[in-house]
Amino acid sequence: EVQLVESGGGLVQPGGSLRLSCAASGFTFNNYELNWIRQAPGKGLEWLSYISSSGGTTYYADSVKGRFTISRDNAKNSLYLQMNSLGAADTAVYYCVRDSSGHLFQDWGQGTLVTVSS
Amino acid sequence: QSVLTQPPSASGTPGQRVAISCSGSNSNIGSNFVYWYQQLPGTAPKLLIYTNNQRPSGVPDRFSGSKSGTSASLAISGLQSEDEADYYCAVWDDSLNGRIFGGGTKLTVL
Repeated sequence: EVQLVESGGGLVQPGGSLRLSCAASGFTFNNYELNWIRQAPGKGLEWLSYISSSGGTTYYADSVKGRFTISRDNAKNSLYLQMNSLGAADTAVYYCVRDSSGHLFQDWGQGTLVTVSS
Repeated sequence: QSVLTQPPSASGTPGQRVAISCSGSNSNIGSNFVYWYQQLPGTAPKLLIYTNNQRPSGVPDRFSGSKSGTSASLAISGLQSEDEADYYCAVWDDSLNGRIFGGGTKLTVL
């Protein structure tokens, strides 16, 4: 069974930084592309970032480009999101999401809540 | 405001057929596959339709997807109370060089 478990969320002050992690299991991690997607309270889904199976290719939404960095450690079956210069608009549940062949955003974690507030 | 436009709400009675639209442009829907997701209250989204009109195993055939030009549509036939959820379309955008979601449609079963 595919499992994606996010961690690292919490309360952070405006201008601060946070690093999210996603522990994966139930599949061959280094064969799959991954994404971070977020959902602000009561709002819709927002794709943030993509990373290829090797980690060699990354894409970012304009809203986070230059502030967020996606990375992965295939030896540890883990995905990361380093978030800097956080603002209130970054308050959201952050999901770790796996692509599969022909199946964009096939598997989702349960999400981790990030709250940016003073 | 999303690059992909969905109606904010839709509704229907049990047994009815409803359709949810997703309107985009040549740089996204017009040149790439469309995907649909269902998000039940308090849960993570679930893939409902992939590559425009294919259903993952386990998704009832009451759900169907279609695409024409720069628009796509999700149809739900034989509406059931458990279909009450938020529905999102998603696609790659060649101009933005990234993936995008529609704003979401809240489906109410009356």
